[in-house]
Amino acid sequence: NAGVTQTPKFQVLKTGQSMTLQCAQDMNHEYMSWYRQDPGMGLRLIHYSVGAGITDQGEVPNGYNVSRSTTEDFPLRLLSAAPSQTSVYFCASSYKTGETFGSGTRLTVV
Amino acid sequence: AQSVAQPEDQVNVAEGNPLTVKCTYSVSGNPYLFWYVQYPNRGLQFLLKYITGDNLVKGSYGFEAEFNKSQTSFHLKKPSALVSDSALYFCAVRELGGSQGNLIFGKGTKLSVKP
Repeated sequence: NAGVTQTPKFQVLKTGQSMTLQCAQDMNHEYMSWYRQDPGMGLRLIHYSVGAGITDQGEVPNGYNVSRSTTEDFPLRLLSAAPSQTSVYFCASSYKTGETFGSGTRLTVV
Repeated sequence: AQSVAQPEDQVNVAEGNPLTVKCTYSVSGNPYLFWYVQYPNRGLQFLLKYITGDNLVKGSYGFEAEFNKSQTSFHLKKPSALVSDSALYFCAVRELGGSQGNLIFGKGTKLSVKP
């Protein structure tokens, strides 16, 4: 049972490039979310989804897009990377109570 | 607005001593409260949660947390700290109260346990 799988683990982008962070879960959870973690700021919600075909914005959605075509997958797209998007990104899924987190993607934008 | 506060950026404890990591919250309705731990270069791991019932909640790795409704607090505790407990600890609350809504996290408390 893999839980929540995120790829890649590390990525370096140049300013203006685009990329997709992948997230997949095998627990049949309806709810999935993306957070970014920055020093001294805790985790901030980027986007979330309450089920396939339904997404919504969190606290810091600018510069990011998401889609949810299946229950299992919830990719996060950076449209035009900026240095301010240098961060550690976590995907999570949950059913009613606590979230299960992926191991994270460390993204550096230069 | 719902919020979580962790008033201490860092807590230093000697191995074998009891530890407390503080958390206070503000939420409408019944609070669903959580503690997560993050070891260096790892994701967040669930420690324990309070939904209803006994105010003292027991979780993983010997940790427990006490829910205090009058003080709106949910402090994390352990009777005897280990060096391996050194990590970053996050308190979180459900945004809308009860089981609904996203998790709102505190800014985290770095726990350092010295031998």
